[in-house]
Amino acid sequence: AQTVTQSQPEMSVQEAETVTLSCTYDTSESNYYLFWYKQPPSRQMILVIRQEAYKQQNATENRFSVNFQKAAKSFSLKISDSQLGDTAMYFCAFMKQYHDMRFGAGTRLTVKP
Amino acid sequence: GAVVSQHPSWVICKSGTSVKIECRSLDFQATTMFWYRQFPKQSLMLMATSNEGSKATYEQGVEKDKFLINHASLTLSTLTVTSAHPEDSSFYICSARGSRGNGDIQYFGAGTRLSVL
Repeated sequence: AQTVTQSQPEMSVQEAETVTLSCTYDTSESNYYLFWYKQPPSRQMILVIRQEAYKQQNATENRFSVNFQKAAKSFSLKISDSQLGDTAMYFCAFMKQYHDMRFGAGTRLTVKP
Repeated sequence: GAVVSQHPSWVICKSGTSVKIECRSLDFQATTMFWYRQFPKQSLMLMATSNEGSKATYEQGVEKDKFLINHASLTLSTLTVTSAHPEDSSFYICSARGSRGNGDIQYFGAGTRLSVL
């Protein structure tokens, strides 16, 4: 079974600063996908970024980037120039190809003005 | 705009009644839909996976007779909580995967808050 671990229940960052959220996972699969989802107070799940395991290049989406270390099974999310609207729960998720998605416990991020 | 519509967003019901939650993919065919349950300040826990035209696959510990899932078309899945009790109060989220964009991405509904009195 795949497990996803987010070891930081809560984090805070000053507006305009950079913060990194950590995620590790455990799998014996070679073909899989990793995701970061944001869940603001509205509770709508919003896809932040995705990474295909076979790609060595780290995914980036504007202010969001990941550090994907496949051998270490690590998938951290870096948020640059943090904005107040980034305040939310962030979930790391793992998915085998064509299977269901498994989520970590989440990290509550607070961006302070 | 939303690609997955979930309705209702909030429902309050009396203990013993049944509640139906709908999940619709608006602009793509959802070959697979997922139902999650989320308790306050916790993560999403997968309840079941449904493929269009076939029976849902339930996760261990989820009562299939209590949580009835129907995926009769490529755009609609429903979750019916039968004989609801206060312990069924929770936030239920559906997601859909299919022909839209990359086949590995799941699109999420906005969730349904169920309160059983």
